[in-house]
Amino acid sequence: NAGVTQTPKFQVLKTGQSMTLQCAQDMNHNSMYWYRQDPGMGLRLIYYSASEGTTDKGEVPNGYNVSRLNKREFSLRLESAAPSQTSVYFCASSQTGFNEKLFFGSGTQLSVL
Amino acid sequence: AQKVTQAQTEISVVEKEDVTLDCVYETRDTTYYLFWYKQPPSGELVFLIRRNSFDEQNEISGRYSWNFQKSTSSFNFTITASQVVDSAVYFCALSEASDNFNKFYFGSGTKLNVKP
Repeated sequence: NAGVTQTPKFQVLKTGQSMTLQCAQDMNHNSMYWYRQDPGMGLRLIYYSASEGTTDKGEVPNGYNVSRLNKREFSLRLESAAPSQTSVYFCASSQTGFNEKLFFGSGTQLSVL
Repeated sequence: AQKVTQAQTEISVVEKEDVTLDCVYETRDTTYYLFWYKQPPSGELVFLIRRNSFDEQNEISGRYSWNFQKSTSSFNFTITASQVVDSAVYFCALSEASDNFNKFYFGSGTKLNVKP
């Protein structure tokens, strides 16, 4: 059972570089999400996609863009990385509905120097 | 304002001790769900429990139990006879019906250290 798969697991960037974090789920979920986790701050929502073809900003969208490529895939792009974007990034997916639990990927540890 | 507050940043216990992790939430919705997730040292977040706002029955699952009290807006998590494998960061989260999608508000997490 693959669940939610995100790549890469680790990445080091220099300030100003760009990169894309990939995420795919095989559970036929409509909704997908990108979170970042910082010490003492829990998980904060960057962007989400309630369904294929739609994306919306979350709590901390600045500096990021997303693409819902199809129902399975939801990518997060950093166009010009900044040290403030050093964080652990999690992709998640769920069925539609506020009562549905999130399924998480294993995370990407990103360092921006 | 924080919708979910986990005031305990870090707790250390000795194996076999009982430990309670606190979670206080804030919402104006009458319909909502509360969740607990576990994040072991490996990093992946694991779902533990989901509770809706209309069900105040306590739940027990093995060594884990949850106490939901609407009167105090709390959803506390107790581990009985803790084990080293319980060492992890635990997150409480809230999802409200008024949101048009499954938007979670996470607490900042409580790191539990269980020492042998």
